Amino acid sequence: GQSLEQPSEVTAVEGAIVQINCTYQTSGFYGLSWYQQHDGGAPTFLSYNALDGLEETGRFSSFLSRSDSYGYLLLQELQMKDSASYFCAVRDTKGFQKLVFGTGTRLLVSP
Amino acid sequence: GAGVSQSPSNKVTEKGKDVELRCDPISGHTALYWYRQSLGQGLEFLIYFQGNSAPDKSGLPSDRFSAERTGGSVSTLTIQRTQQEDSAVYLCASSSGQKFYEQYFGPGTRLTVT
Repeated sequence: GQSLEQPSEVTAVEGAIVQINCTYQTSGFYGLSWYQQHDGGAPTFLSYNALDGLEETGRFSSFLSRSDSYGYLLLQELQMKDSASYFCAVRDTKGFQKLVFGTGTRLLVSP
Repeated sequence: GAGVSQSPSNKVTEKGKDVELRCDPISGHTALYWYRQSLGQGLEFLIYFQGNSAPDKSGLPSDRFSAERTGGSVSTLTIQRTQQEDSAVYLCASSSGQKFYEQYFGPGTRLTVT
């Protein structure tokens, strides 16, 4: 089967840098996606890593190491609005074009 | 352009009643997904459509749940004989072509079964 592990909660202060880790177990790996969800809102796509290395998009970066079955989302210059839940996801191994999501990490940013 | 829309935004129903939830995906998106999310929990996959076909219905919790998609566009999720444990937010998402990893979500339907 497939499994993804994320910390349940991470806390940080405004202006800091925070890293949200995701380890996965899956066969037929096709890349790691990250989504953000604010309370009461819908998930929004943040990034996708198909290959090893770091992808940067503004204050957010995402990293993947396929050999370690590990990735992380890095948020820099934290703002209060970054308080949200963050989900990592991998492609389903049954060959369908759908995602299996992790349980999510709740990020709390304090002043 | 328009995003994914869902209706109704909120639905309160009595136990035992049937409900229909609607999803309008982004125009041209071939893949459509239904998820369920309980308060503070993760995303529970329900069903996935590619065009009008549903290659994967493995997430439907019971035979009270069914879904269809017509014209490669609008989808309806139907829950028959609702139970209190069906109370949750039902989210629909769509994606284009091979970009399954980049899903666009609708605002969800909050279902409350009393």
